[in-house]
Amino acid sequence: QKEVEQNSGPLSVPEGAIASLNCTYSDRGSQSFFWYRQYSGKSPELIMFIYSNGDKEDGRFTAQLNKASQYVSLLIRDSQPSDSATYLCAVNLQDTGGFKTIFGAGTRLFVKA
Amino acid sequence: DGGITQSPKYLFRKEGQNVTLSCEQNLNHDAMYWYRQDPGQGLRLIYYSQIVNDFQKGDIAEGYSVSREKKESFPLTVTSAQKNPTAFYLCASSTSENTEAFFGQGTRLTVV
Repeated sequence: QKEVEQNSGPLSVPEGAIASLNCTYSDRGSQSFFWYRQYSGKSPELIMFIYSNGDKEDGRFTAQLNKASQYVSLLIRDSQPSDSATYLCAVNLQDTGGFKTIFGAGTRLFVKA
Repeated sequence: DGGITQSPKYLFRKEGQNVTLSCEQNLNHDAMYWYRQDPGQGLRLIYYSQIVNDFQKGDIAEGYSVSREKKESFPLTVTSAQKNPTAFYLCASSTSENTEAFFGQGTRLTVV
């Protein structure tokens, strides 16, 4: 079982709609959860982080965490064509050498104008 | 400006040669990471380091080596033992063990 799983997509939504991206993780000891956006050929950039169960909102973005279900999601409201990118879910896991950040394979999002 | 600098941006290597990718940060971050990304794939952890003179293997360390002699620097050597080295390599750093990572611009390595 992969440590962090995402649907590879592509997920296609019309402009102005809500895009919903999902992620599951296998290690119940995971403490920190992140969503990164990556444009083609570029490096990932942080969008949201969440540490506690529940919702966290930042502008058009909402991260949701459910530790009991080992589930993290990202909602993008009023989707724009500029939101078209690959979204990477990441989890911090404790290892023998400290914490390490593990990424999912990413979900490609297309927002149609 | 503070940030993470990777060099070079593009690198070509002949089969059988070792090559070293540079990663420097001036953010005063303790933790540094190296990831590999193949086309259409996510990031896979190669090595990571939480403090100077200490580093740990990630999920795909075979064929790679690192050093952490200074807090600011975490170079990655791709050795001839790495069977499929052509990939996009990303260096990242974070303030402590359990916080978000900030990435450099990446190095695209091609074996010719």
